[in-house]
Amino acid sequence: AQSVTQPDIHITVSEGASLELRCNYSYGATPYLFWYVQSPGQGLQLLLKYFSGDTLVQGIKGFEAEFKRSQSSFNLRKPSVHWSDAAEYFCAVVPTGTASKLTFGTGTRLQVTL
Amino acid sequence: DVKVTQSSRYLVKRTGEKVFLECVQDMDHENMFWYRQDPGLGLRLIYFSYDVKMKEKGDIPEGYSVSREKKERFSLILESASTNQTSMYLCASSFPATADTQYFGPGTRLTVL
Repeated sequence: AQSVTQPDIHITVSEGASLELRCNYSYGATPYLFWYVQSPGQGLQLLLKYFSGDTLVQGIKGFEAEFKRSQSSFNLRKPSVHWSDAAEYFCAVVPTGTASKLTFGTGTRLQVTL
Repeated sequence: DVKVTQSSRYLVKRTGEKVFLECVQDMDHENMFWYRQDPGLGLRLIYFSYDVKMKEKGDIPEGYSVSREKKERFSLILESASTNQTSMYLCASSFPATADTQYFGPGTRLTVL
């Protein structure tokens, strides 16, 4: 079945440490890939997206993500986490050839310790 | 900046009541969406509208209906609210290009007693 998986429900990192959030998808063809962030009490904000081309995508707030076709993954990274990065992060896909309907993963909650 | 607003941040209703959730966007977007967000389940699409008076069911439309009479406004209707509809409801909008960025409102936390 087609799906988006975020295997980590909750991650805790120290401020200044590096971060990697995992996302795997299961679709026949490579879908369009997105990462959204939801800060407490807020709606979702787009961090970055991948359609094609360069497999390393730069986003806002110092985030980047790397698309790996062989692993069906689109992991989100940040070299040095700030306390304000504490939030919930959602990976999402739009299968190619479909309407603009996002399918979301279940989310990863990031806690940052000082 | 794109602005998507939702009529209420918090709402408390009783079982059996008819509930209206309103969403307004100011970017002239063709597409509008309603999602519900539940812990451990992420966001799930309830309904999608790609033009005025046009709508498509999402993954979990049961118990919900929608209305889009004007381009900027998309309403979610719970015909007879039930306790299992207690959730966070998020509205989003986008241009029609495939996989264009969706812009989200702040959400309405609905509690059905």
